[in-house]
Amino acid sequence: AQSVAQPEDQVNVAEGNPLTVKCTYSVSGNPYLFWYVQYPNRGLQFLLKYITGDNLVKGSYGFEAEFNKSQTSFHLKKPSALVSDSALYFCAVRARGSARQLTFGSGTQLTVLP
Amino acid sequence: DSGVTQTPKHLITATGQRVTLRCSPRSGDLSVYWYQQSLDQGLQFLIQYYNGEERAKGNILERFSAQQFPDLHSELNLSSLELGDSALYFCASSVTGSDTQYFGPGTRLTVL
Repeated sequence: AQSVAQPEDQVNVAEGNPLTVKCTYSVSGNPYLFWYVQYPNRGLQFLLKYITGDNLVKGSYGFEAEFNKSQTSFHLKKPSALVSDSALYFCAVRARGSARQLTFGSGTQLTVLP
Repeated sequence: DSGVTQTPKHLITATGQRVTLRCSPRSGDLSVYWYQQSLDQGLQFLIQYYNGEERAKGNILERFSAQQFPDLHSELNLSSLELGDSALYFCASSVTGSDTQYFGPGTRLTVL
């Protein structure tokens, strides 16, 4: 079985500061990893994914994530946070070779303070 | 806008009733996925269809069923509704061979 842990329910950061949203995963074999963002009353928007290759993945809106196989982590980062980045962030995983449905973490509410 | 549409946006109904949620995938996407988002269970995969055929099942109750039609739109049928079925129901679609799923805006179901 595959699982995702987002250890922080809430992350607060000041505008202009770097932000990190943490994600660790458990899966048999090599993972496919994803980050999605959900704004209030909206669906999930795809940010970025790791399939293979470079461990540092760049995505939409200046976000990036680093895949760390030894730590089974896929933390989301951004060098300089914007107030408009405030939203609910979900990490998701699926095992390579498995069916394509995603297993999501519980979500992390990011609040960027002006 | 992801290109995935869902109707209705909101649905309020009573316990014991039956409802149908509709999803139109992005143009060209053959895969459709249904997810349920609730406060206590989080975001959970329900079922996947590919080009009209069921491909995978997740934590979908027997009271729930789905299908994908020849025009590729999908419907999720929820019957004998209970208070605990109140949730946001999302549909997502993906193109063949891609792992990226694009989500619709969701249908918020409230069971009273």
